[in-house]
Amino acid sequence: AQSVTQLGSHVSVSEGALVLLRCNYSSSVPPYLFWYVQYPNQGLQLLLKYTSAATLVKGINGFEAEFKKSETSFHLTKPSAHMSDAAEYFCAVLGGSYIPTFGRGTSLIVHP
Amino acid sequence: KAGVTQTPRYLIKTRGQQVTLSCSPISGHRSVSWYQQTPGQGLQFLFEYFSETQRNKGNFPGRFSGRQFSNSRSEMNVSTLELGDSALYLCASSEGRMNTEAFFGQGTRLTVV
Repeated sequence: AQSVTQLGSHVSVSEGALVLLRCNYSSSVPPYLFWYVQYPNQGLQLLLKYTSAATLVKGINGFEAEFKKSETSFHLTKPSAHMSDAAEYFCAVLGGSYIPTFGRGTSLIVHP
Repeated sequence: KAGVTQTPRYLIKTRGQQVTLSCSPISGHRSVSWYQQTPGQGLQFLFEYFSETQRNKGNFPGRFSGRQFSNSRSEMNVSTLELGDSALYLCASSEGRMNTEAFFGQGTRLTVV
């Protein structure tokens, strides 16, 4: 079975500060890992994905994530938060079954 | 290229009724997956269709069903609606089977009263 844990249902940062959203996963097979962003009343948009190539993955809008197998983590970071980054962020794992499992989401709040 | 289109965007139904939601994938995409999103349970996988065949199914009762047409458009049906079926239903399409880049529609907000 696979699972995803996102630490912190809400993360609050000031504009210009570092963004760090945490994701830990479990999977019985080498996984694919994803981060998605969801704005109010919208669907999910793929930010970045890990597919067993480079462990440091760069995505859109200045976000990146690092796959750490030893820690079973795939944390999402952005050096400098922007007001437009305020949204809900989801980490997801896709294992051998092709059935994705999503975390419960982290709401990013950006203060001016 | 047009994105994933879901219709309708909003729907209000009464308990016991049935509902059909529609999803038009991105042109050329053959895989369509459906998800239910609720505040209590989060995002849950319903099923995946590829080349008109259901390839995977999540842990939902048989009241939830779907189908895919030869043009890759998909519909999902929920029969005998319950209050707990109120949710945002999201559709995602991808070129291949559950490949690594799925594109999501804006969703259909279903409210059961």
